[in-house]
Amino acid sequence: QSALTQPPSVSGSPGQSITISCTGTSSDVGGYNFVSWYQQHPGKAPKLIIFDVTNRPSGVSNRISGSKSGNTASLTISGLQAEDEADYYCSSYRSSSTLVVFGGGTQLTVL
Amino acid sequence: EVQLVDSGGGFVQPGGSLRLSCAASGFTFSDYDMHWVRQSTGKSLEWVSGIDTVGGTYYPGSVQGRFTISRDNAKNSLYLQMNSLRAGDTAVYYCARAKKGVHWLDPWGQGTLVTVSS
Repeated sequence: QSALTQPPSVSGSPGQSITISCTGTSSDVGGYNFVSWYQQHPGKAPKLIIFDVTNRPSGVSNRISGSKSGNTASLTISGLQAEDEADYYCSSYRSSSTLVVFGGGTQLTVL
Repeated sequence: EVQLVDSGGGFVQPGGSLRLSCAASGFTFSDYDMHWVRQSTGKSLEWVSGIDTVGGTYYPGSVQGRFTISRDNAKNSLYLQMNSLRAGDTAVYYCARAKKGVHWLDPWGQGTLVTVSS
């Protein structure tokens, strides 16, 4: 069982928007603005797409955005494209011996 | 180009040991914290260990006392010594870079597969 809770799957049609939630506790997501998101295509290593809740690394599409409210962080992808089909993982700093925690991952299907 | 290349994975029996390596290039290795993250087949990511720029090490309870992370800044290399391996340690292991004091990981190595089985 993962430390952070994500929906197992979401789907959307090309051009639509989707949002993936990531729920933690006040010891991780809710307590710090240190939420990050990773995209992983099959057989590939994870790739950072959002850091510190809302920030996009250079080169990441501006169709991707992040937010947070309380103990829940969210990833939104607008204008869905076929290339967005992948697994998405949230992560957060945690104030314990386990410094970094991950969500269970969400499989995004572009219909 | 910033690059991390993982190696050292393989097949090992329960109770055995294995040492993973991560070769870094394209950046000043000593200026960054480094981490290991693993992923079991079809499962989520699990943080395994971290080492900061001054050699401080960090582990979750699941591997504390069995795994040891280390770094050789002269060789631009990160290591993970894994002892007393269990079937549950079977996974792809990735090394990843983090800016000093932060916990988002970028980039990641390509991963190396560790299989623990009798």
